[in-house]
Amino acid sequence: DSGVTQTPKHLITATGQRVTLRCSPRSGDLSVYWYQQSLDQGLQFLIQYYNGEERAKGNILERFSAQQFPDLHSELNLSSLELGDSALYFCASSVAPQGSEKLFFGSGTQLSVL
Amino acid sequence: EDQVTQSPEALRLQEGESSSLNCSYTVSGLRGLFWYRQDPGKGPEFLFTLYSAGEEKEKERLKATLTKKESFLHITAPKPEDSATYLCAVQAGSGSRLTFGEGTQLTVNP
Repeated sequence: DSGVTQTPKHLITATGQRVTLRCSPRSGDLSVYWYQQSLDQGLQFLIQYYNGEERAKGNILERFSAQQFPDLHSELNLSSLELGDSALYFCASSVAPQGSEKLFFGSGTQLSVL
Repeated sequence: EDQVTQSPEALRLQEGESSSLNCSYTVSGLRGLFWYRQDPGKGPEFLFTLYSAGEEKEKERLKATLTKKESFLHITAPKPEDSATYLCAVQAGSGSRLTFGEGTQLTVNP
């Protein structure tokens, strides 16, 4: 158990809908990362937050947004969903915003868009 | 742009048959190279971090090494429970995000 909690584990929805994925980082970790893993693209970095502020952005679509709350949990919002958004979405956490810190990953949310 | 390439894509071994997985990388300002293990339907699990060329780390049947261009994950006398996808990732520049390779899917047959 990595200590990173993601909910829900599975999500099935229809095209055009909006969903919210939730992540609670390990106790004491201030940095949260979101990754998308699809069969054809591997793990792709989406966005990073540190102590409530956006720190880095990767290949995140404009239809997607995230935030980190004062209690440090984070939410990833996906809207106007398309079939191609079906993937495993992982949250990871680390103590610091930068440096050679290993990331601890949650067990992911499997999103299926039908 | 940071690039990480892993080979082979898939590897099938007999129990006890040692082998190596390769991770080649192109980055500017490597801060660390990471190896993770991922089981189906689960999140990546941290194995090792390597920081500089010549460094080696070991854990049970696994040994990771690093040069200026690539890293190897050596698996000695593997067991079926070593079956998983092994992911290599780099941390570079000023940030702490990881850039991952596409992984090597290892299957160890009893």
